[in-house]
Amino acid sequence: GQNIDQPTEMTATEGAIVQINCTYQTSGFNGLFWYQQHAGEAPTFLSYNVLDGLEEKGRFSSFLSRSKGYSYLLLKELQMKDSASYLCAVRDNAGNMLTFGGGTRLMVKP
Amino acid sequence: GAGVSQSPRYKVAKRGQDVALRCDPISGHVSLFWYQQALGQGPEFLTYFQNEAQLDKSGLPSDRFFAERPEGSVSTLKIQRTQQEDSAVYLCATSGIYNSPLHFGNGTRLTVT
Repeated sequence: GQNIDQPTEMTATEGAIVQINCTYQTSGFNGLFWYQQHAGEAPTFLSYNVLDGLEEKGRFSSFLSRSKGYSYLLLKELQMKDSASYLCAVRDNAGNMLTFGGGTRLMVKP
Repeated sequence: GAGVSQSPRYKVAKRGQDVALRCDPISGHVSLFWYQQALGQGPEFLTYFQNEAQLDKSGLPSDRFFAERPEGSVSTLKIQRTQQEDSAVYLCATSGIYNSPLHFGNGTRLTVT
């Protein structure tokens, strides 16, 4: 089975840095994804990690440690538009299905 | 179109009615997934197609739920005799080559009264 945990809510200040953690225990692993979802909208792809280490993409970075079953999403220079839910998802060994965590709702305040 | 398209965007059904939700995938995308998302929760897997073959339907919550993709393109999720607990957003997602990210549609928000 799959078990993916992430904090329910976080609050941060505009211009600051925030780190959203995700831990997982899964029966198979073939990559970890982060998605952003604004209220009432589709989840949109942010990042993908399959090997250990840090992947950087502009203001967003994602880290993976497979031995620890741990990932984080780092958002720098926060903007008001970054207020959204951030979903951590693990792909199974067959390389198909994504299993999602419950999502972390991030509120960015002025 | 450029993205995954779902219709209708909103659906209100009386308890006991049947509903059909449609997903138009990105052209050429082989894999198609249906997810159910309750308010404030992450998406929960329902079923998966590769072309026209339904390879996994382990997430369908009951035999009232049925999905098809007869020609390997458009897919329909059908819910028979809807119940209030079926109220949720139903998301369709597709992907192309192996290991590529999923692309989601905007979903259908189903409200059962």
